[in-house]
Amino acid sequence: QSALTQPASVSGSPGQSITISCTGTSSDVGGYNYVSWYQQHPGKAPKLMIYEVSNRPSGVPDRFSGSKSGNTASLTISGLQAEDEADYYCSSYTSSSTFYVFGTGTKVTVL
Amino acid sequence: EVQLVESGGGLVKPGGSLRLSCAASGFTFSNAWMSWVRQAPGKGLEWVGRIKSKTDGGTTDYAAPVKGRFTISRDDSKNTLYLQMNSLKTEDTAVYYCTNVASGYAFDYWGQGTLVTVSS
Repeated sequence: QSALTQPASVSGSPGQSITISCTGTSSDVGGYNYVSWYQQHPGKAPKLMIYEVSNRPSGVPDRFSGSKSGNTASLTISGLQAEDEADYYCSSYTSSSTFYVFGTGTKVTVL
Repeated sequence: EVQLVESGGGLVKPGGSLRLSCAASGFTFSNAWMSWVRQAPGKGLEWVGRIKSKTDGGTTDYAAPVKGRFTISRDDSKNTLYLQMNSLKTEDTAVYYCTNVASGYAFDYWGQGTLVTVSS
C-alpha cells in the first residue's frame, strides 16, 4: 500500500486561501468517505482537523474545510493565519490489508 | 479532558524487544478502538496497528512492516494500551503515538509520543 500523494509544500500570505490535495486510488480515497486531515506543529503530536471528508471536530475553526472529488481529497484553509504554519497529513481508510494509509505530508508556510 | 500518555520508549539494540504503554483517561476506554501510529525522524506518519474493543471482538490488525513482530494488547481494567515490539530493526526507530480510532476511521486524540531508537 503506497502512501497517498500530497504536495511537499504550499505557501500563502496571511488572509489568503490555500488548498492541499491528497491523491489516492479507488481502493482508498475514491472508495470511501473516510478521509481525515491532521495538523502537526514541530515537535508536537498530530491534531485531527477534518474527518469523514468534510466534518470538523469541535474546536476546529471553520476556516478549515474539506472536500473530495474522485480519488482526490482536498483541505482548504481560508483566511490563512500565522498559526496555521505546520505540516498537514491526510489519511484514508483503505480496502487493502493495511486498513489505514497516510499521505506524504505537506508543509504549509505563511509568508 | 481526554488524555493519552505513552511511556516505555528508549534505546534498544537491533533484535531486541521493548514494550510501550499508553495510559488513557477522560473517555470510556473499554469502548474504544485504539491504534498505534509512528513517525520516523523527519518523516511522515505511518499506521502500525489497531485493536478493537472487546465488545467488537477485541481483534488486532497490523501494518505489513511490523506483522509478526509487534503485538498490541489492552487492559481495560487499567485503561491501558500496550505495544510489545520484538525483533526490532533500525527502521523501527520512530516516535510512537497512541491514538483512539473515532468516527469514520479518524484518529481523534493523540498522546505526546514516546521515542524508540533502535541502534547498536
